[in-house]
Amino acid sequence: DGGITQSPKYLFRKEGQNVTLSCEQNLNHDAMYWYRQDPGQGLRLIYYSQIVNDFQKGDIAEGYSVSREKKESFPLTVTSAQKNPTAFYLCASSTGTGYEKLFFGSGTQLSVL
Amino acid sequence: AQKITQTQPGMFVQEKEAVTLDCTYDTSDQSYGLFWYKQPSSGEMIFLIYQGSYDEQNATEGRYSLNFQKARKSANLVISASQLGDSAMYFCAMREIFNPDGGATNKLIFGTGTLLAVQP
Repeated sequence: DGGITQSPKYLFRKEGQNVTLSCEQNLNHDAMYWYRQDPGQGLRLIYYSQIVNDFQKGDIAEGYSVSREKKESFPLTVTSAQKNPTAFYLCASSTGTGYEKLFFGSGTQLSVL
Repeated sequence: AQKITQTQPGMFVQEKEAVTLDCTYDTSDQSYGLFWYKQPSSGEMIFLIYQGSYDEQNATEGRYSLNFQKARKSANLVISASQLGDSAMYFCAMREIFNPDGGATNKLIFGTGTLLAVQP
């Protein structure tokens, strides 16, 4: 079945440590997105990529980095510069054209030890 | 900049009754798309319904319908015959095609959500 796979489901980060969240899709979608969700809040866009080898900052990109070397993969690195990383992270993809919907993964809960 | 507002943090509804979840939006674009997503406690985001700004008919998908009032900039979700499985967070979202600088963005902007609890 086609879809988006995020791993791991739960991740713990130590102080000063970088961690990477995985996002893989087999939907042949051009566009991919990373959102952050805090309790009681909506989703905020971190980074997005409309095509391989290209990506743009979203509304809250500071302390995060991404790469898009393959169409299927869009990993997110939470760096030590992100001082409040505890949140639920959702990856999404779309065909990248028009007003089509986003397909979401099941998310990764990141917590700081 | 585009903005989505959901003013109801939480709602209760009796099983089998209908419920309306409010959503207002702000945009200067003539062409835009509006979405509703459901997020159960498992965390996944489930697409429910879509309304295009030029669609003359209100969108419907099974028990979900979208009450689209363009002049008032509202896109309320109506769930008919509520079921216990409808208990979840519901998010309204708008597709932004161009940013204020004119560059293509093609990203989805979300409201803060409404937590719906269906009571037996």
